[in-house]
Amino acid sequence: KAGVTQTPRYLIKTRGQQVTLSCSPISGHRSVSWYQQTPGQGLQFLFEYFSETQRNKGNFPGRFSGRQFSNSRSEMNVSTLELGDSALYLCASSSPGTRAEQFFGPGTRLTVL
Amino acid sequence: AQSVTQLGSHVSVSEGALVLLRCNYSSSVPPYLFWYVQYPNQGLQLLLKYTSAATLVKGINGFEAEFKKSETSFHLTKPSAHMSDAAEYFCAVSATFGGSQGNLIFGKGTKLSVKP
Repeated sequence: KAGVTQTPRYLIKTRGQQVTLSCSPISGHRSVSWYQQTPGQGLQFLFEYFSETQRNKGNFPGRFSGRQFSNSRSEMNVSTLELGDSALYLCASSSPGTRAEQFFGPGTRLTVL
Repeated sequence: AQSVTQLGSHVSVSEGALVLLRCNYSSSVPPYLFWYVQYPNQGLQLLLKYTSAATLVKGINGFEAEFKKSETSFHLTKPSAHMSDAAEYFCAVSATFGGSQGNLIFGKGTKLSVKP
């Protein structure tokens, strides 16, 4: 099975712009979660989608949003970028089941100038 | 609420020496615990997981971890370090939200260096 894929792998934006990141889960996985990784804050949960519905959301401002499509692919969007949004954004998918392990993609490295 | 504490942000061992990475958790319900490894510029790879079966869990690449409820610990060990083990290691607990798959709460990570 192909793993979780994320596009693009690297992205450079300037403050005030917006960005959309994409994640394709492992085939058959319906849950997709997003995490932000920074040197200062570590790995922080952004949100989780399951069957096109946001099931849970972390403690991030409303500038961070996401969605999931019927094929389970997911996108996250960050509007009005700030310097502090520079991070590695990781997507993870999991198969149905309670507290199943999550499989991570390689991440998108976002740099905000 | 769940939380994870990893003791030691950096650990250095010699090749062939024992690797011990410490993780303590806090959870109000029986936890699901995970260890992930991250190599530079890559995502996270699952090393092993504890899901309330055997308390001694064996993972990939010779790693294992023991769940100790009395100590709320889930330390990661490997008898003999290899140069290729140099990476960052994250301990995580599965959060509990109603109906959720169980999103992960991560520790701050431990960078493992292996000296020749």
